[in-house]
Amino acid sequence: SQQGEEDPQALSIQEGENATMNCSYKTSINNLQWYRQNSGRGLVHLILIRSNEREKHSGRLRVTLDTSKKSSSLLITASRAADTASYFCATDGGRTDSWGKLQFGAGTQVVVTP
Amino acid sequence: DTAVSQTPKYLVTQMGNDKSIKCEQNLGHDTMYWYKQDSKKFLKIMFSYNNKELIINETVPNRFSPKSPDKAHLNLHINSLELGDSAVYFCASSQGSGGTAGDTQYFGPGTRLTVL
Repeated sequence: SQQGEEDPQALSIQEGENATMNCSYKTSINNLQWYRQNSGRGLVHLILIRSNEREKHSGRLRVTLDTSKKSSSLLITASRAADTASYFCATDGGRTDSWGKLQFGAGTQVVVTP
Repeated sequence: DTAVSQTPKYLVTQMGNDKSIKCEQNLGHDTMYWYKQDSKKFLKIMFSYNNKELIINETVPNRFSPKSPDKAHLNLHINSLELGDSAVYFCASSQGSGGTAGDTQYFGPGTRLTVL
């Protein structure tokens, strides 16, 4: 079954605006990751946040994690046309023997218009 | 240099045929994966190999058989292709095997399989 679910499914914003998307998951986790997928391409890792962390930054990206609500958010500040992509959260299911078994949500499709 | 490469990029074939997709990584990683992404962009893990050893084998039909000749390669062979096999297949690799610290996975560009 699907572990992560992103919300919204699609988001359309203008350049310079901020984009926020949320991810909810069902089981406990060790860490949560966000990936980006440009159209017709493979996924690219953006950021990993561990279960004992609440917030993490990387450039224009800010990720929060609330394990009590089993949710995470990804904020892209000052968006650019190049940020147009689908964004996925992925969790490891909380097992110590997960062997990299990531469970992905269905993604949020972000369109940034000039 | 491409870190994770897959061939072919596109594969169009008839139902009932057997086909293979190849994957190679030059990152020196120990773990490789195959994922299937359906038309709704839902990505699901199929297999994972660590140092040529099968680690994850999700509920995938046994028509799908992964083969890892060495830790830099993980190929996917599909027998008796069906319409429902149409999807984009992604290969990925990671340094370790996840554990509690987590591992970044590096994805290939994908192979779009269309079964007619």
